Amino acid sequence: AQKITQTQPGMFVQEKEAVTLDCTYDTSDPSYGLFWYKQPSSGEMIFLIYQGSYDQQNATEGRYSLNFQKARKSANLVISASQLGDSAMYFCAMREGEGNYQLIWGAGTKLIIKP
Amino acid sequence: GAGVSQTPSNKVTEKGKYVELRCDPISGHTALYWYRQSLGQGPEFLIYFQGTGAADDSGLPNDRFFAVRPEGSVSTLKIQRTERGDSAVYLCASSLEAPNVLTFGAGSRLTVL
Repeated sequence: AQKITQTQPGMFVQEKEAVTLDCTYDTSDPSYGLFWYKQPSSGEMIFLIYQGSYDQQNATEGRYSLNFQKARKSANLVISASQLGDSAMYFCAMREGEGNYQLIWGAGTKLIIKP
Repeated sequence: GAGVSQTPSNKVTEKGKYVELRCDPISGHTALYWYRQSLGQGPEFLIYFQGTGAADDSGLPNDRFFAVRPEGSVSTLKIQRTERGDSAVYLCASSLEAPNVLTFGAGSRLTVL
C-alpha cells in the first residue's frame, strides 16, 4: 500500500487564488512527521512546512499552511494568494517513528499558476 | 558552503561503466542523505550518514551501489557496472543533526545509455 498518496498529478490555478494540494498518508505509528517540499524546474527540493503528529495546531509558514486532519490521515497544503513563482512540483513526505531518518515521498503534484 | 553542492550536475555514461557522484554538504551539518528520484516519481531513500559512518544504508538497491564519507563532510556515491535502470536524478541532502529538516542540493542527473 502507498504510504503517501497525492491524488492530483497536475493543477492549474489562476494567479492570486488560493490552492489546496492534497496529501493522505498511511501509518500505524503514533509518532510521525509530515513535510511539504517544493521542487522548481531547477531541481532543488525546497522545504516549505512541517507538521508533527503530536502538534495541536496546524502549521503555518507565511503563505503556506497545512490542513492537518489526523483522523482522516490527511495533510493538505494550502497556498494563499498564489504567485507565478509558485509554479513547481510539490511533494508530500512522511517520517515514521522515533529516530527514523528516512523520508517516504508521494509522487508529487505539478502546480501551474496562470497569469 | 552556503548550500549543498552536487557534482556533476549531469553525467552520461555507457552501460557497464563506473560512476562517482559527489556531494558537498553545508558546513557543519553532521547528517547527510542520498536519495534517488526517477522520472515522474518522488525521491527514494538510499543511505544516511551521521558523521563518517553510514547509519542506515537500507535503501541501497544492491551491492553495485556504495557510498562513503571519509572525513564526515564530502560524500561520494559510487555505482559500479551501471545499468540503464540506474538512470535517475541522485539527490543529496544534509541537516545540522538528524532528524531535522533537510536541505537538498540540485541533484546529479545520471543517464546510462
